[in-house]
Amino acid sequence: SQTIHQWPATLVQPVGSPLSLECTVEGTSNPNLYWYRQAAGRGLQLLFYSVGIGQISSEVPQNLSASRPQDRQFILSSKKLLLSDSGFYLCAWTSGPRLFFGSGTQLSVL
Amino acid sequence: AQSVTQPDIHITVSEGASLELRCNYSYGATPYLFWYVQSPGQGLQLLLKYFSGDTLVQGIKGFEAEFKRSQSSFNLRKPSVHWSDAAEYFCAVGSYGQNFVFGPGTRLSVLP
Repeated sequence: SQTIHQWPATLVQPVGSPLSLECTVEGTSNPNLYWYRQAAGRGLQLLFYSVGIGQISSEVPQNLSASRPQDRQFILSSKKLLLSDSGFYLCAWTSGPRLFFGSGTQLSVL
Repeated sequence: AQSVTQPDIHITVSEGASLELRCNYSYGATPYLFWYVQSPGQGLQLLLKYFSGDTLVQGIKGFEAEFKRSQSSFNLRKPSVHWSDAAEYFCAVGSYGQNFVFGPGTRLSVLP
C-alpha cells in the first residue's frame, strides 16, 4: 500500500535560518506531489505542486522554494526564514482524484 | 474561478446532538468532492468522497454527506456527535489533473 512520510514533526527555527522539510512517498511511482501550508486559524494554502522530477509549479510568491530530486521525494526549503513562515506544513500526493496527506510539520519561527 | 466556502468558522454542539457542517463550491466542471478532518497537530484524514452516482455518501466514523448539484453544496452530517469528533473539518473539490481547492475549515467543539 502507499504511504507518505513527512519529517520532522515539529521544528523551531530562528528568523533568518535555513529550512529543509522532506517528504517521501512509498508504494507508487510518478505521483503528483504537493506542499500545503496552514497558518494558525486559517485554511489550507497550496504552495507548490510537482508532476514529475524537476518539475515544480509555484502557486504563490513567497520566501520558500521546492525541489523534487527523485520521483518520490519532495523537499520544501528556505534560505532565510521569516516570522510569517510559521505554520503547519503538509505534504500530499494524489492517486487519481484523491489527495492523501502526510502527518505534517509544525514550524515555529522565532 | 474555483472556490469553496464553509460559512461556519466555529460550531459548538453537545455530545449526542446531531451535526451538520456546510460546504458550498464554485467549480467549472463536475467536481469530485471531499471532506477531510484534522485533529489538533495532526495531518488531514479523508472522511468521505463523492465522485458520481448516489448523492448520499457514507464515510468513516459515522459521517455522511449529501451532494446537491442544484445548490452546489456538499454538507457533512452526523446523527450523534462524540467528544472525539472535536477537530477541524475541511471541504475540498478537485478533479483529474486539477489542483485541489480547500475551504477555510470549520472548527468543531463538543460539549460534554
